[in-house]
Amino acid sequence: AQTVTQSQPEMSVQEAETVTLSCTYDTSESDYYLFWYKQPPSRQMILVIRQEAYKQQNATENRFSVNFQKAAKSFSLKISDSQLGDAAMYFCAYRSAEIQGAQKLVFGQGTRLTINP
Amino acid sequence: GAVVSQHPSRVICKSGTSVKIECRSLDFQATTMFWYRQFPKQSLMLMATSNEGSKATYEQGVEKDKFLINHASLTLSTLTVTSAHPEDSSFYICSASSGLQNTEAFFGQGTRLTVV
Repeated sequence: AQTVTQSQPEMSVQEAETVTLSCTYDTSESDYYLFWYKQPPSRQMILVIRQEAYKQQNATENRFSVNFQKAAKSFSLKISDSQLGDAAMYFCAYRSAEIQGAQKLVFGQGTRLTINP
Repeated sequence: GAVVSQHPSRVICKSGTSVKIECRSLDFQATTMFWYRQFPKQSLMLMATSNEGSKATYEQGVEKDKFLINHASLTLSTLTVTSAHPEDSSFYICSASSGLQNTEAFFGQGTRLTVV
């Protein structure tokens, strides 16, 4: 079974600075997707960024980028120019992309990000 | 992105009664829906996966007779918590997927259930 581990329960960063959230995962599959979700106080899950495992290029979405290290099974999220609205719980998630693989998302424990003004 | 509507957003029920939570995909056909439970300050725990027209697949440790899931149409899945007890109080979240390999799942707003 696949597992996702986020070793940082809490992180904080000064507004406008850069912060990196860590995520590692374990799988025997070769084809999969990785995601970062944001859950603000409203508790609505919002997709931040996604990475296909077959792509070597790291995904980027404006101020959000990932460092995907497939061999190391590492998938960190970098938030540049942090804004107050980035404060939230961040979850790393895994999903199989194999034909017979499960469609379900496997979530990490989450990292609570605080932005200091 | 696609819209998934979950209703109600909050519900309070008496111990021993049943409560139904609806999850609707508003602008796409959701062949697969997922139901999660989230305790305070914790991650999402998958309860079950439902495919339209089929019986739901429950995760280990989840009581299928207590958490009844129905996915009778491509746009609606329901979770019924039967004979609710205070320990069932939690935040329940649904997500829906079109089932295609290269698509993401979209989440509802969640339902906070309080059993008194």
